[in-house]
Amino acid sequence: AQSVSQHNHHVILSEAASLELGCNYSYGGTVNLFWYVQYPGQHLQLLLKYFSGDPLVKGIKGFEAEFIKSKFSFNLRKPSVQWSDTAEYFCAVNFEDSNYQLIWGAGTKLIIKP
Amino acid sequence: NAGVMQNPRHLVRRRGQEARLRCSPMKGHSHVYWYRQLPEEGLKFMVYLQKENIIDESGMPKERFSAEFPKEGPSILRIQQVVRGDSAAYFCASSRPGNPQETQYFGPGTRLLVL
Repeated sequence: AQSVSQHNHHVILSEAASLELGCNYSYGGTVNLFWYVQYPGQHLQLLLKYFSGDPLVKGIKGFEAEFIKSKFSFNLRKPSVQWSDTAEYFCAVNFEDSNYQLIWGAGTKLIIKP
Repeated sequence: NAGVMQNPRHLVRRRGQEARLRCSPMKGHSHVYWYRQLPEEGLKFMVYLQKENIIDESGMPKERFSAEFPKEGPSILRIQQVVRGDSAAYFCASSRPGNPQETQYFGPGTRLLVL
C-alpha cells in the first residue's frame, strides 16, 4: 500500500536557524506532492505543491521543497525560520492510481524558540 | 473570499448519541472530501463526494458512518451511536470540478470528543 513518511515528529529550532523537514513516499509511479501547514488554532493551509516541471518548488512565506524522484523524497526547506513558523507541517501525496485521495504523513510539529 | 467552512468546531457527545458534522465547500467547488485525524497521526481519507453522489467511500467504516452532499446545502458526515474511538478531528476539503487532481482546500475541522 502507498504510504508517506515524515521522519521527525517534533523539531525545535531557534530563530534564524535553517529548516529541513523530510518527506518520503513509497510508490514508483506518477505522484503529485503537497506540503500543508497548520498554525495553532487554525485550519490546514497549502504551503506549496508539485505536479510537474521544475522539481524545486517555491511556496508561500519563504518555503521551498525539492522533489527528488530517485529518492522518493519531497523535503521542505526554509533558510531562516521565524517564531511565526511554529506550526505543524504535513506532507501529502496524491498517487497516480488513486487520483483524488491524498495520503498523508503523520506530521511534524515545529517549535521555534524566540 | 470565504473558504471551506465547517461546523461545529467542537462537538461533545456521550456514547450512543449521534454526531452530525457539516461542511460548506468553497464557492465554485463541487467536490468534497472528508478526512479523519486521530491524535499523533496524519489525516486518513474517508469519503469523496460530488453533488448528490458518493464517488468513493472506501475509507469509511462500514457501520455507523454515512455521508451525503445534497443538491442544496452543506455536506454532512453523520456518525450514529458514537463510541470513544470516534473521538478525532474531522476535516473537510473541497476542490473545483474537472481534474480530480485539483488542489484540495481544507476547512478548520470539527473536533469530536466522545465521553
